[in-house]
Amino acid sequence: DTGVSQDPRHKITKRGQNVTFRCDPISEHNRLYWYRQTLGQGPEFLTYFQNEAQLEKSRLLSDRFSAERPKGSFSTLEIQRTEQGDSAMYLCASSLGGTAVEQFFGPGTRLTVL
Amino acid sequence: GQQLNQSPQSMFIQEGEDVSMNCTSSSIFNTWLWYKQDPGEGPVLLIALYKAGELTSNGRLTAQFGITRKDSFLNISASIPSDVGIYFCAGQSPIQGAQKLVFGQGTRLTINP
Repeated sequence: DTGVSQDPRHKITKRGQNVTFRCDPISEHNRLYWYRQTLGQGPEFLTYFQNEAQLEKSRLLSDRFSAERPKGSFSTLEIQRTEQGDSAMYLCASSLGGTAVEQFFGPGTRLTVL
Repeated sequence: GQQLNQSPQSMFIQEGEDVSMNCTSSSIFNTWLWYKQDPGEGPVLLIALYKAGELTSNGRLTAQFGITRKDSFLNISASIPSDVGIYFCAGQSPIQGAQKLVFGQGTRLTINP
């Protein structure tokens, strides 16, 4: 399958723990995006990368959140000292870059903070 | 932040009926996209619209980019059970930045067989 993949699909953690999610984009795509989706809402933009450079971060991305894309391929999203309000679906998307506007989403990682 | 308003929030229809939903904004968008999301999965791209007035079809789906650049609609003809899900509009705004997508809150479609 050549779509966007995310790991893990589900994560249950206790408040205060750190968690890390991984996203593997479509192989020829050089833009990678992270979104967060809470129940009953549409996805909300968190950050995006052009190759390995992180070019934009939302105000939603507090200092407990950090994202990396070290070699311009896969990306990780880490949340430190998780809070119950962090419970959400974390979605990764990729796009071809250039003038391409279509973003293709992975299946998401469902985070539950107890 | 900027928001897209989708209506209706939910629809209950009979199999075989046509469906229409729309998305509006108080400001202009450069691009409109429509996605469908099934429970526990990520959104799947259905249709992308690139310029004002554009009308695009994908099988039983038809979408239009409003002439004012502030709205878009999606029609589904002859609905079938697998059309059940949540439909999201999304747009790219010249104000918010070219790369991020702004999403509506979704229209939940339920089909009675």
